[in-house]
This record gives sequence, C-alpha cells and structure tokens, in this order.
Amino acid sequence: GENVEQHPSTLSVQEGDSAVIKCTYSDSASNYFPWYKQELGKGPQLIIDIRSNVGEKKDQRIAVTLNKTAKHFSLHITETQPEDSAVYFCAARNYQLIWGAGTKLIIKP
Amino acid sequence: DSGVTQTPKHLITATGQRVTLRCSPRSGDLSVYWYQQSLDQGLQFLIQYYNGEERAKGNILERFSAQQFPDLHSELNLSSLELGDSALYFCASSVDPGGRSETQYFGPGTRLLVL
Repeated sequence: GENVEQHPSTLSVQEGDSAVIKCTYSDSASNYFPWYKQELGKGPQLIIDIRSNVGEKKDQRIAVTLNKTAKHFSLHITETQPEDSAVYFCAARNYQLIWGAGTKLIIKP
Repeated sequence: DSGVTQTPKHLITATGQRVTLRCSPRSGDLSVYWYQQSLDQGLQFLIQYYNGEERAKGNILERFSAQQFPDLHSELNLSSLELGDSALYFCASSVDPGGRSETQYFGPGTRLLVL
C-alpha cells in the first residue's frame, strides 16, 4: 500500500544552523505534500505545503523541495531558533493523506 | 487557535468502560478526521467523515466507532477500553478532502488515560 518514510526520527542542531528533514513516498500519483509542526501538548499545525506541479516553495525561514522523479520531498529550516523545537510530520496525498512517522527536532542553545 | 474544538480535554477511565469524544469542526468545514497518537508515536489515522457520510477508514478497531451529525460535529466512541487505548485523540477538519483546500486543521486533542 501507500507509504511515506520520514528521516531522521530525531535531529539535533545548533541554534542558528540549518535543519533538513526528508520524506519519500511510494504512490507516484501523489499530488499534495504538506508539512505539519506539532509542539508539545498541542495538535499538529500546517507550516508549509507544496503541490506536484511546483518544485520548491519558500516561506521566510522554511522551504520545501519536491523531486517527483525520485519521489521524495524535504523540509529545510534555516537559521534555526529555540521555538523551532517540535515534532515535524510530512504527508503525501493522492486520495488520502498518508503520514510520515515524524521527526523530533531539537535546537541546542 | 485552529477553530476546531474537542471535548473533553482530559479523560480518565477504567478498563472495560466506554467513552465518547466530541469534536466540532471549523465553521464551513465538511470533513472530519480522527487520529490516535500514542506516547512518542506518530499519527494513526482512524476514520474520516464527509458531510455526514463515512469517507475513509484507517486502522480503527472494531471496538471504536464514530459518526458525524447533521450539524457536522462528530463523536468518537471507544468501548471495552484497554490499557493500550491510552493516547491522545485528535480531531481535524478540512473544507473538502478532494478540493482545492486539503489543509487539515487539528483540534487540541483529548488525552485519554485508561487505568
């Protein structure tokens, strides 16, 4: 069945450095790829999304890239700050959203 | 604040019992999704309703059931509870699962503890 793999499961970076989280998907018909951020004790919140007709999208310090040929997409966070510490989920959608397992991002001061 | 409300925030109950979790979607959203998140785990999709009808099923146990009412609020019923059912249960809503807006807006969750 459809599957989304997300790596790494935990990522620790120094404050100010960049963080990259990668996801691969199995369904080549997937056409929508959102990224969600879940802070401790809260529900996930959409931070950025990309559709299959676009290769890259940026929003201030965050960006998402999509490689349809390789069936993978990545979240890039630049100039990381303490408030970026959270769990990040990727997802891919054809008919239904299929979720990655999540990445715990730790920003070290 | 996503606009999705869930009640109760916390629920403590005993094994074998039955509980009902409630969700009110954002105004205008027709789809409701239910997810289970165990400690340090990912999001497990349980079930989706669209405008009162069941649209998709995930890894939902037979002991669990859900429904969406005419006013679009939804309830998730968990019965014959086991210790392993202890988890965060999230509700999310979206305007149209297949339309231009696929964004799911999550509620704050209900934390269920089965003792």
